[in-house]
Amino acid sequence: EIVLTQSPGTLSLSPGERATLSCRASQSVSSGYLAWYQQKPGQAPRLLIYGASSRATGIPDRFSGSGSGTDFTLTISRLEPEDFAVYYCQQYGSSPMYTFGQGTKLEIK
Amino acid sequence: QVQLQESGPGLVKPSETLSLTCAVSGYSISSGYYWGWIRQPPGKGLEWIGTIYHSGSTYYNPSLKSRVTISVDTSKNQFSLKVRSVTAADTAVYYCARRIAVAGTVYFDYWGQGTLVTVSS
Repeated sequence: EIVLTQSPGTLSLSPGERATLSCRASQSVSSGYLAWYQQKPGQAPRLLIYGASSRATGIPDRFSGSGSGTDFTLTISRLEPEDFAVYYCQQYGSSPMYTFGQGTKLEIK
Repeated sequence: QVQLQESGPGLVKPSETLSLTCAVSGYSISSGYYWGWIRQPPGKGLEWIGTIYHSGSTYYNPSLKSRVTISVDTSKNQFSLKVRSVTAADTAVYYCARRIAVAGTVYFDYWGQGTLVTVSS
């Protein structure tokens, strides 16, 4: 089973700043099989990025994804107040099996 | 617009069976795609439970496989989850979601709002 480790656990930033969130896999992941989700309190996860770098429908272009192999990154170029939430990466592997990272909480500094 | 809605008891006794249904609107399950269940214990991360195709083909998380059954009812455009012999560790918000696989990518695009199931006597 592939384990996804997200860092940092908590990221404290101010609106307008740039956020860089990391997702590291214990084994190589096909880029097509890596997705990012945003979750706000009391809400379901919302798809942000699929295929490591493709934005989902309606997602602002301040969100971008990159990476390959075992290292993937979600970048939010200029934080808006509504971006403060928990972010999860997720991969699809053989068997099949879906695993999520433990999440990064993005909080207002 | 695709919408998913979970329903079922919010309280289940230990050792009993948890049963949930996900009603899908805005898309016919028979048209394709896989449909899945994911859960989230209070204050914790997300765990994939299993997925099902409209034909009834299923895949389960190995850690839950012995206790879980997912089924589909295309006539009602819904799919269901059963978790047997529940314990407090099964207390979680349960989400249903649509799984997309296209052009070499795989992800969950539409999610239900989630339903909290508490296991307690």
